[in-house]
Amino acid sequence: DSGVTQTPKHLITATGQRVTLRCSPRSGDLSVYWYQQSLDQGLQFLIQYYNGEERAKGNILERFSAQQFPDLHSELNLSSLELGDSALYFCASSAGQTDQETQYFGPGTRLLVL
Amino acid sequence: GNSVTQMEGPVTLSEEAFLTINCTYTATGYPSLFWYVQYPGEGLQLLLKATKADDKGSNKGFEATYRKETTSFHLEKGSVQVSDSAVYFCALGDTGNQFYFGTGTSLTVIP
Repeated sequence: DSGVTQTPKHLITATGQRVTLRCSPRSGDLSVYWYQQSLDQGLQFLIQYYNGEERAKGNILERFSAQQFPDLHSELNLSSLELGDSALYFCASSAGQTDQETQYFGPGTRLLVL
Repeated sequence: GNSVTQMEGPVTLSEEAFLTINCTYTATGYPSLFWYVQYPGEGLQLLLKATKADDKGSNKGFEATYRKETTSFHLEKGSVQVSDSAVYFCALGDTGNQFYFGTGTSLTVIP
């Protein structure tokens, strides 16, 4: 158990809908990262937050947004969903904000868009 | 731009065989390099890391050396076990805090 929790575990929704994925980092970790894992694209870095502020941005679509709250939990919002958004979404956390940090991954949220 | 290329799988080995999974990278600056492992139905776990050239990361019998001259970070283990069956990801963290993962290499170890 990494100490990172993600809810829900599974999510089934329809095209055009909006969903929110939630992540609670390990106790004491200030950074949260979001990743998308799909069969055709592999594991893609989406975005990083550090202590409530956006720190780095990867291949995140404009339809997707994220935030980190004062209690350090984070939410990833996916809107106008398309079939291709079906994937496993991972959250990870780390103590600091540098590229040398070990990231601890949650178990993931599996999203299926029908 | 930055990228990671890792050996295509799947790889199937007999127990106690020697393992090498190749990983090469392209990066500007001096990135940190990682190997993560993903067991079935779970999230990724850090296996080992190296933060500068010539560093050797090691854990659970696995090793990888950060080779700047060949831009490589190959994963090795001298004697694999059935419990090592998993998907292995090579990853790079650049100084801009972007993270890049390889496509993953599936390893199956048979008794």
